[in-house]
Amino acid sequence: EDQVTQSPEALRLQEGESSSLNCSYTVSGLRGLFWYRQDPGKGPEFLFTLYSAGEEKEKERLKATLTKKESFLHITAPKPEDSATYLCAVQGDVYNQGGKLIFGQGTELSVKP
Amino acid sequence: DAGITQSPRHKVTETGTPVTLRCHQTENHRYMYWYRQDPGHGLRLIHYSYGVKDTDKGEVSDGYSVSRSKTEDFLLTLESATSSQTSVYFCAISPLGSGPNNEQFFGPGTRLTVL
Repeated sequence: EDQVTQSPEALRLQEGESSSLNCSYTVSGLRGLFWYRQDPGKGPEFLFTLYSAGEEKEKERLKATLTKKESFLHITAPKPEDSATYLCAVQGDVYNQGGKLIFGQGTELSVKP
Repeated sequence: DAGITQSPRHKVTETGTPVTLRCHQTENHRYMYWYRQDPGHGLRLIHYSYGVKDTDKGEVSDGYSVSRSKTEDFLLTLESATSSQTSVYFCAISPLGSGPNNEQFFGPGTRLTVL
């Protein structure tokens, strides 16, 4: 069974204090691993797709990396506007013609000035 | 922003009444999805569609039905709403099958309360 576990559940940082969020996964053949940002009362906002181990993608202060068992979202010198819940999801390629995503429960990030 | 709208954005209804939520896209994507999001459970797939009149079940489909009569519209119906269906519902669309990208883009959500 495809499964995603995110840690920590919540993370409080001071502005400028870099850290990482973890996404551990098990999947029957990985088609893609996705990171989303979700602000309160809004829908998830797409950030990155990673397809294979060793792949890295960057966007502003965020950098996502992927291994065969986990993904990390590194946040460098965060600002208060980076405060949000970050969601990780996997898409398996076995018996998954619909491209279904399995989501983790998210990490709630709070960045204080 | 992906061209996805959901209506209504908020709804309060009573147990036993039927409810229909609408998702509308302007991207002409083939794949559309309905998820619900609950504390402690995260986002879970209810149903999805891979074309007009083509739909399939997700992991939490009991008590829900869907219809897609046009590419741009995907409807989610609660035949007889129950309190356990109080949730935030998100629609998503994907360019899956149209090229190399298979990410999903989400709408703004509908907050449904069943009393």
